[in-house]
Amino acid sequence: NAGVTQTPKFRVLKTGQSMTLLCAQDMNHEYMYWYRQDPGMGLRLIHYSVGEGTTAKGEVPDGYNVSRLKKQNFLLGLESAAPSQTSVYFCASSYSHGNSYNEQFFGPGTRLTVL
Amino acid sequence: GEDVEQSLFLSVREGDSSVINCTYTDSSSTYLYWYKQEPGAGLQLLTYIFSNMDMKQDQRLTVLLNKKDKHLSLRIADTQTGDSAIYFCAETTGGFKTIFGAGTRLFVKA
Repeated sequence: NAGVTQTPKFRVLKTGQSMTLLCAQDMNHEYMYWYRQDPGMGLRLIHYSVGEGTTAKGEVPDGYNVSRLKKQNFLLGLESAAPSQTSVYFCASSYSHGNSYNEQFFGPGTRLTVL
Repeated sequence: GEDVEQSLFLSVREGDSSVINCTYTDSSSTYLYWYKQEPGAGLQLLTYIFSNMDMKQDQRLTVLLNKKDKHLSLRIADTQTGDSAIYFCAETTGGFKTIFGAGTRLFVKA
């Protein structure tokens, strides 16, 4: 199993450009998440999905959109990139255990720089 | 509101014990976790504790939970240079959403 994979690993954008980050998981997990990691701030949840065809806003959703057309894929889009979106982006997935136990499996991250 | 706080840095000598502390605010937290992030990688679950437990031991790792003070700690015995990483405290209050702390960067000096 590859686990959780993310593409690309690195990207540099100019202000106003758009891009899509792709996350894929092969563990048949229902839940998927997009986080951003900034120094001293830990992980902040951008958007999440509880199943195919569903998405919901997290803590910092502004400037981002997501889609989950297939259960194994979760896409994060930036329509008009801003320097404030320079960050490391992590995708994660988890399995529904029917209780609140929620081990999340993380991808290796995408380092995005917006100039 | 929900919040998880931890100190940002810890430095220890190789062979000593490391203790990383965390406080959380939601008394209804059911599971608390420690994740490890090595350089250039994503987070990986290190250990977890259920809220009805006070302590959990797993080889060199000891997790202590004080529910009254909402305090969680991770002790790493005989710390090695390979333990150098960022350690994140996290809590699940219900359902599937997890709140992460800012992470404690552990430096191990040889």
